[in-house]
This record gives sequence, structure tokens and C-alpha cells, in this order.
Amino acid sequence: LAKTTQPISMDSYEGQEVNITCSHNNIATNDYITWYQQFPSQGPRFIIQGYKTKVTNEVASLFIPADRKSSTLSLPRVSLSDTAVYYCLVGGLTGGGNKLTFGTGTQLKVEL
Amino acid sequence: EPEVTQTPSHQVTQMGQEVILRCVPISNHLYFYWYRQILGQKVEFLVSFYNNEISEKSEIFDDQFSVERPDGSNFTLKIRSTKLEDSAMYFCASSGLRDRGGTQYFGPGTRLLVL
Repeated sequence: LAKTTQPISMDSYEGQEVNITCSHNNIATNDYITWYQQFPSQGPRFIIQGYKTKVTNEVASLFIPADRKSSTLSLPRVSLSDTAVYYCLVGGLTGGGNKLTFGTGTQLKVEL
Repeated sequence: EPEVTQTPSHQVTQMGQEVILRCVPISNHLYFYWYRQILGQKVEFLVSFYNNEISEKSEIFDDQFSVERPDGSNFTLKIRSTKLEDSAMYFCASSGLRDRGGTQYFGPGTRLLVL
């Protein structure tokens, strides 16, 4: 599995856009990039997944440059409730049954 | 929206006792997983399960652990003789045929405390 590197922590204020970048220099051709969110004492929650270019859903956007060696999770206009740990994972295109390998993630703290 | 559910939410047990953690995966999912997270540490993979057998297991998943899908809805994790170091949050997850690799849906977790 490709190793990922992301900042340990980030601080922001309500209403700001937050961009969390993840490095995955050894990403393989068949790897997707997936981001999860975890609140304290809760299970990780799938946020967004992409392979290349840009993906947007109702929660976030994911920007992936052409070389795919990094990706950026963009959270528009964060609120206090976006305070959580965000994990970047890289894994195969193949279907289910693949284990997820979580790193330490990025602790995002949103303040007033 | 369908969710993975887990029971109990909290479990306190004595060292050496057996515990069974229960999960109800999303109904049309076919792949099931258990993860654990010791307080302040990473989420760690324990085991994956498909077609009524274990697909993959980690080093953590030793002979003290077992999984079972006793009926069409439940998925259980049994720890035969609990140790202090088994204290953690245990998360069940599931995924379906249409989910790409990397997409799993997690339950709220069971907090296990071994005394």
C-alpha cells in the first residue's frame, strides 16, 4: 500500500475554506485516493474518493494533480462541527474486501 | 440512509472473560470488517470477512479472536479470554459489491474496557 503523509494538525476559523494536503509519492496505477473523517469516539466516516483531477460532492472537493503524487481535500466554509481527524488513504481499485490502513491523520480544529 | 449498527455501545469486562461484540452491517453488503482503535492511537485493521470466511487478518487477530456471521444480518467478533490490552474501541465496517476499494461504512463502535 502506498504510504501517505499529511500534516498532524491544522487550525481554522468558522467560515474559512480549509485545504488539507496529503502526499503519496508511491501511489500505484490502480490506487484510488479516499478521505475519511473521524469525530472523537465515533467510527471513521467516508467523505470523498477520487482517482484523478477533481471530484466534488455535497461535503468536500478533492483535487488530484496529474502526477497523482499528492491530493488536497478542500472543505468549504468550515464550521465548529468540522472539528475532527481527517485521514487520507490510498488503495486499490479492486472491489471490496481490502483492508484500510489508517495513518495518524490530520487533526482539524475549527474555532469561532 | 442505511447504517452499520453495533451493540453494545460500551462493555466492561474482567480480564480473562469472553466478550462478544455484535454488528449489523448494511443489508445488501457482502464484505465485513473489524477494526480497533486504542485510545489516542490509529485505527487498526483486525479482520475482513467475505462469503462466510475470513479473507484477511492482521497480526493482532490471534487465536483469541474469532468472527462469525451466525445469521443473515449479524456479524460478531468474539474475544475468548480478554486481556487488559484489548481495551479499545472496536469498529465494524461493511462494503458492497458496487463500492470501490477504499470505501467502507463504519459503525459507531463498541468501547471495550477490560479490568
